[in-house]
Amino acid sequence: GAVVSQHPSRVICKSGTSVKIECRSLDFQATTMFWYRQFPKQSLMLMATSNEGSKATYEQGVEKDKFLINHASLTLSTLTVTSAHPEDSSFYICSAREAGEVANYGYTFGSGTRLTVV
Amino acid sequence: AQSVAQPEDQVNVAEGNPLTVKCTYSVSGNPYLFWYVQYPNRGLQFLLKYITGDNLVKGSYGFEAEFNKSHTSFHLKKPSALVSDSALYFCAVRDRGSYGGATNKLIFGTGTLLAVQP
Repeated sequence: GAVVSQHPSRVICKSGTSVKIECRSLDFQATTMFWYRQFPKQSLMLMATSNEGSKATYEQGVEKDKFLINHASLTLSTLTVTSAHPEDSSFYICSAREAGEVANYGYTFGSGTRLTVV
Repeated sequence: AQSVAQPEDQVNVAEGNPLTVKCTYSVSGNPYLFWYVQYPNRGLQFLLKYITGDNLVKGSYGFEAEFNKSHTSFHLKKPSALVSDSALYFCAVRDRGSYGGATNKLIFGTGTLLAVQP
C-alpha cells in the first residue's frame, strides 16, 4: 500500500533557529500533501495544503512566513518552521493524496514529527 | 460548515467485550466518512471509510462502522476488544466547498481515547 515517510521523527532545536521537516511519498506520486499540527490530547489542525509546483494554501490563522511549505516534486513536501519559539513545540503530521486517485478514498499519513523548541 | 463530533473523550472496555466509539456528523449532501487510529507519537492509520453503498462498512483489524443517515452517525465498532486496540481514534469527514463539491480537506473530530483493560 501507499507509504508516506516523514523525517525527522523527533527534533529538538534552540529558540530562534529554523527546522525543516520532510514528507515523502515512497511508492506513489502525490500532487497534494497536507500539513497538520496536533497539540497534546487534541485533534489535528490543518495548517496548509501543499500543491506540487504551486504555492501552498494556508488555513486561516496560520502564519505563512512562519511555516514555509515547499512542494517541489511529486514525492516531496517540506515544512520549515522559521525562527522557532517554544510555543511552536508540537506534533506535526503530513498526509498525502495520490495523483489521479479517485477523490473518494482516504489519505496516507506520515508517522509525525515531535518538535521541541528549547 | 461540515463537522464531526466525537462525544466521548475516553471509552473504557474490558478485553473480549464489544466496543463502540461514537461519531456524529453534520454535512451538506452525502458524506464521505472515515475512521483513523493513532498510536502514541505516530501518524494516523486508516481503518475504514464510507462513501456509498452498504451502511455497514468493514475495515482493518476487525473494526467495522455503521452509517446511519437518520441519526447522522458513523459509530466505530468491534465485537471483541483487544488490549492492543488501545489507542486514539479519530472520525473524519471530507470537507465540501462553497458549491457543494468535495474538497481535498479532511475535517477531524476531537478524538476518542480507547482504553482496553486486560
